[in-house]
Amino acid sequence: GDSVTQMEGPVTLSEEAFLTINCTYTATGYPSLFWYVQYPGEGLQLLLKATKADDKGSNKGFEATYRKETTSFHLEKGSVQVSDSAVYFCALSDALKAAGNKLTFGGGTRVLVKP
Amino acid sequence: EPEVTQTPSHQVTQMGQEVILRCVPISNHLYFYWYRQILGQKVEFLVSFYNNEISEKSEIFDDQFSVERPDGSNFTLKIRSTKLEDSAMYFCASSDGTGVEPQHFGDGTRLSIL
Repeated sequence: GDSVTQMEGPVTLSEEAFLTINCTYTATGYPSLFWYVQYPGEGLQLLLKATKADDKGSNKGFEATYRKETTSFHLEKGSVQVSDSAVYFCALSDALKAAGNKLTFGGGTRVLVKP
Repeated sequence: EPEVTQTPSHQVTQMGQEVILRCVPISNHLYFYWYRQILGQKVEFLVSFYNNEISEKSEIFDDQFSVERPDGSNFTLKIRSTKLEDSAMYFCASSDGTGVEPQHFGDGTRLSIL
């Protein structure tokens, strides 16, 4: 079945450092790919998405490019802030299935940004 | 911006009791979901619901679990005869069902079974 693997955390960075969180996937179809973020005490919020190969999703300074050849969707941000401290989840859904299909999540990566 | 709301935020229940977790999805959404996250583990899909019936369920979603849309706004997850291992964060989500529109999540209900 479908699966998502992301780097384990925690990742501890200083403010203004470069952040990369690796995410790779296994899927039988042509998935849509997502990054969700969970701030302390809150639910899952969509950060960005990409629906086909070579698409780049971006939001709040974060970017991720859908790489079909390497089955990857790595998250990057050039200069992190303390407010970026959160848990980041990579996820996929099989876009070829009927609408309303489930999300498959990676294990989450906790990021801590220190001032 | 419309959001998914879940109640209660924290539920403490004795083992063996029944619990109902409630969700109000975004009003124009057609697909509804429940996920759970056991502490320190992945977010796992439980069930999806469309047109008043289950459209997909995981192997976790056994006879102990049921879902219902009792009216035009609420979507509930019932867990019968709760077990210690049911302790987890339960997330409700909804989507408009276009296939690429992302799912919108609530803040979750933390269920603690004693």
